[in-house]
Amino acid sequence: QKEVEQNSGPLSVPEGAIASLNCTYSDRVSQSFFWYRQYSGKSPELIMSIYSNGDKEDGRFTAQLNKASQYVSLLIRDSQPSDSATYLCAVDVNDYKLSFGAGTTVTVRA
Amino acid sequence: GAGVSQSPRYKVAKRGQDVALRCDPISGHVSLFWYQQALGQGPEFLTYFQNEAQLDKSGLPSDRFFAERPEGSVSTLKIQRTQQEDSAVYLCASRGLANTGELFFGEGSRLTVL
Repeated sequence: QKEVEQNSGPLSVPEGAIASLNCTYSDRVSQSFFWYRQYSGKSPELIMSIYSNGDKEDGRFTAQLNKASQYVSLLIRDSQPSDSATYLCAVDVNDYKLSFGAGTTVTVRA
Repeated sequence: GAGVSQSPRYKVAKRGQDVALRCDPISGHVSLFWYQQALGQGPEFLTYFQNEAQLDKSGLPSDRFFAERPEGSVSTLKIQRTQQEDSAVYLCASRGLANTGELFFGEGSRLTVL
């Protein structure tokens, strides 16, 4: 079992809709959770971090964390074509390194 | 510098050649990581430095892979006797604090082994 699993996608949503991305992780002691966005041919860039159970909102992005269920999600509201990218879920492992999921590719249809 | 800088951006090697990939992290960043990203996959951990000390090299695929960070700043990832399966993007990331916080990634070095 991989340390971080993401829904495989690809995910296609119409412009203006909500894109929902899911991630589960195996290390119960993980404390830090991140969502990175990666455009094709580019490096990952951080869009959200979350450390406590519940929701965290930043603009059109909302991250949700449930440590009991070992589940992290990302919602993208009012999706725009510029949101078309691969979204990587990352979880801290062993207190210092990040383990990444395989990514979910999102395409926003204009 | 302003961000993590990697060179070369693209490298084509014949099978069996040795390659060296360089990473210049954000100035003052304590932690430095190397990741390997195959096409369509997420980054896979290779190795971790805290200052000049290599604290975790558990992700290095074989003894053909070697990394160093002798003065605690610039790091080099060396791959000896390259194989086709080594073809990937090699990402370097740095972090200011030792154990927490965001990783800042460089643009990566895309290695193609023919």
